[in-house]
Amino acid sequence: KAGVTQTPRYLIKTRGQQVTLSCSPISGHRSVSWYQQTPGQGLQFLFEYFSETQRNKGNFPGRFSGRQFSNSRSEMNVSTLELGDSALYLCASSLPLAGVSDNEQFFGPGTRLTVL
Amino acid sequence: DQQVKQNSPSLSVQEGRISILNCDYTNSMFDYFLWYKKYPAEGPTFLISISSIKDKNEDGRFTVFLNKSAKHLSLHIVPSQPGDSAVYFCAASEKGPGNQFYFGTGTSLTVIP
Repeated sequence: KAGVTQTPRYLIKTRGQQVTLSCSPISGHRSVSWYQQTPGQGLQFLFEYFSETQRNKGNFPGRFSGRQFSNSRSEMNVSTLELGDSALYLCASSLPLAGVSDNEQFFGPGTRLTVL
Repeated sequence: DQQVKQNSPSLSVQEGRISILNCDYTNSMFDYFLWYKKYPAEGPTFLISISSIKDKNEDGRFTVFLNKSAKHLSLHIVPSQPGDSAVYFCAASEKGPGNQFYFGTGTSLTVIP
């Protein structure tokens, strides 16, 4: 079974631009979560999508948005990029065990975004 | 506000000895805890988990201990091997719908041959 895939793997943008990152979950997984990883901050939760609906949201500004398609693929968009948005963006998928907290998450390799 | 904390950014251990990685949390509603291992240029991979109804879970060389009263969990690796060298993240979630996991900042483990 193929793992979680993320595209692109590396991206360089300049301040003020916008960017869209893509995540394809493991087949059969309907929950997709996005995280931002920066040095010293660990993984910060951005949002989670389940059945095309945002189910949870972390403490990030509105410049960060996402969506999920009917095939469970998800995209994350960051508008008006700032230097501080440079980070590794990770996506994770899990099985649709709604209402149960013990869902193991499977992570993709991440997209390394650099904002100049 | 960091609800899950890993206060040791790095740890070095001799091969064959025990590695103990620690994690503290502040939210008493957390009821499920996981450890992930991350190599450079790869996403984190699931290692071991424990629910709040247990105080210990073992899987081969890896054992996770949970002390709910102290809001503390630890990961023991015995014996440590050079291939265990990686960054280890602990994570926690609350009961209820959704998969919002709170991660610590990670501990970089180096196992010296």
